[in-house]
Amino acid sequence: ETGVTQTPRHLVMGMTNKKSLKCEQHLGHNAMYWYKQSAKKPLELMFVYNFKEQTENNSVPSRFSPECPNSSHLFLHLHTLQPEDSALYLCASSQGKDRRNTIYFGEGSWLTVV
Amino acid sequence: AQKITQTQPGMFVQEKEAVTLDCTYDTSDPSYGLFWYKQPSSGEMIFLIYQGSYDQQNATEGRYSLNFQKARKSANLVISASQLGDSAMYFCAMREGRTGGFKTIFGAGTRLFVKA
Repeated sequence: ETGVTQTPRHLVMGMTNKKSLKCEQHLGHNAMYWYKQSAKKPLELMFVYNFKEQTENNSVPSRFSPECPNSSHLFLHLHTLQPEDSALYLCASSQGKDRRNTIYFGEGSWLTVV
Repeated sequence: AQKITQTQPGMFVQEKEAVTLDCTYDTSDPSYGLFWYKQPSSGEMIFLIYQGSYDQQNATEGRYSLNFQKARKSANLVISASQLGDSAMYFCAMREGRTGGFKTIFGAGTRLFVKA
């Protein structure tokens, strides 16, 4: 069992749909992250939450809406996405922002927007 | 400016041989951490090894070792005795201690193919 679990693993949605990605970490960490990985692009940090408070939003379009109800759970709400939003979305967690704090990732959610 | 550079888009290695994956980085922060991750085709990013900027010795974890050359700003990953299951994408990453906040910067990755 991995320390960070993501559901669903695969999602196909239309451009007018509303869906959510869910992430749960079992590592007792304080910080949680959403990353986007597109083909032929480096990993892009989208959002960071520390103790449920958002600390980073890297100019992500408002059609992506994160929610962090507690330090163990993180959601990414998806609304009116575009085909170019198709990507692997990775959730991660870490103990904090110290340079020694390793980020641990989930298995990812493969999103296809049609 | 690109902070993590992985110059090898793809690498081939014979099973049971060693392979080195290159990584160079750029930072003015004296306090930083360097990480390597493995990403199989399933998608999960698996943490392999960590090296701190103040660490005197190269990090090792089983078959993985990190060849840390601070003056050259390089942090190459060495995989010994390659196995077929090592075929995957490998990412080098860096977190700056004083200026980076929560940001971990990733390189573009190197795809490793292990041949039987």
